[in-house]
Amino acid sequence: GIQVEQSPPDLILQEGANSTLRCNFSDSVNNLQWFHQNPWGQLINLFYIPSGTKQNGRLSATTVATERYSLLYISSSQTTDSGVYFCAVVDYGQNFVFGPGTRLSVLP
Amino acid sequence: NAGVTQTPKFQVLKTGQSMTLQCAQDMNHEYMSWYRQDPGMGLRLIHYSVGAGITDQGEVPNGYNVSRSTTEDFPLRLLSAAPSQTSVYFCASSLPGPGTQYFGPGTRLTVL
Repeated sequence: GIQVEQSPPDLILQEGANSTLRCNFSDSVNNLQWFHQNPWGQLINLFYIPSGTKQNGRLSATTVATERYSLLYISSSQTTDSGVYFCAVVDYGQNFVFGPGTRLSVLP
Repeated sequence: NAGVTQTPKFQVLKTGQSMTLQCAQDMNHEYMSWYRQDPGMGLRLIHYSVGAGITDQGEVPNGYNVSRSTTEDFPLRLLSAAPSQTSVYFCASSLPGPGTQYFGPGTRLTVL
């Protein structure tokens, strides 16, 4: 089955810094989403982005489907950005395969 | 719109007990699924359904049963709980085809 890798596994930032999270996947996908899991465990949809670039406030994402990777950019990070960021992909059907996540800690 | 709801939020079971985790959505989504998340890991698919009356297994189905009698509800049954089933369980739903999937708030289950 499809494999999903995320890097880095852990990231510590000072408030106000920028960061880039990466997701690599091993096969063609028809769906890719980025999620933020907050410290209370809630999964929050960030982007549905099987290809192209999207922006939402301080967050943006780019997926280059032909090269099998996606990037999540966080600018001017805030303490509320802390948590785990997951990339999840679908190769066929509708079932997600999740990556292991990137744990982000933003320090005040 | 309540979105995807799950009950209970927390549950403690003894080994061998059975229980049902409830999941409901009010968005008229045909596709629903159950995932489990173990500490420090991503989510893994347990079972899914593409519509009422249709269910199928995911990556880790052993020890779990599902049924889908209505579009709105997709309960997950633990037949005989084991400590290895201690996890956080998430339910998700979406429309058919590629698109955004929506996740419930999760149920934290501990099996002693």
